[in-house]
Amino acid sequence: AQKVTQAQTEISVVEKEDVTLDCVYETRDTTYYLFWYKQPPSGELVFLIRRNSFDEQNEISGRYSWNFQKSTSSFNFTITASQVVDSAVYFCALRPNTGNQFYFGTGTSLTVIP
Amino acid sequence: GAVVSQHPSWVICKSGTSVKIECRSLDFQATTMFWYRQFPKQSLMLMATSNEGSKATYEQGVEKDKFLINHASLTLSTLTVTSAHPEDSSFYICSAKIQSSYNSPLHFGNGTRLTVT
Repeated sequence: AQKVTQAQTEISVVEKEDVTLDCVYETRDTTYYLFWYKQPPSGELVFLIRRNSFDEQNEISGRYSWNFQKSTSSFNFTITASQVVDSAVYFCALRPNTGNQFYFGTGTSLTVIP
Repeated sequence: GAVVSQHPSWVICKSGTSVKIECRSLDFQATTMFWYRQFPKQSLMLMATSNEGSKATYEQGVEKDKFLINHASLTLSTLTVTSAHPEDSSFYICSAKIQSSYNSPLHFGNGTRLTVT
């Protein structure tokens, strides 16, 4: 099965706290691609990061970091020192190597309280 | 780069009328575009995969006669909601991946909020 699970439906944090958004995936493919997207209240989906299955290096981009653990099929996203502008719905997505389809999780709604 | 333009951003129409939504890849070619529907506080639901020059592939449960998709060029796909009803009110989002890049992410349009009265 191809599936993405984001168990956290809603998270609230106070500004400047760190927060981690969980993503667990299932796939039959040995090669696949993982993505994170941000959907602010305005609605557009913003691409944040792509990770290939054969590259398990974690990545940091400013206050954002991603932890890819193939052994646990997880691709978690951490925001350090959260800001109000981080308030959005975040989607994790999987694209297996076979086919064209992207599989999205149900999203995690993050609210950063000033 | 990799900009997808979707128009209109919002539309209100009367029940029974048809609405056309355009999705354009502005700076890249896209043989494949995807149309999603999103209900409030829910995830993206893939409606159909739009293929340039051929028929769209619809997901199970999506009525192809109601949601007409035309992908006439490498940069334009359109979704027409025919004989719209209030239950068709939703947020529709198109996306595309760069044709020449196998592991390209999906690039999304800004979405169209459809309200059927």
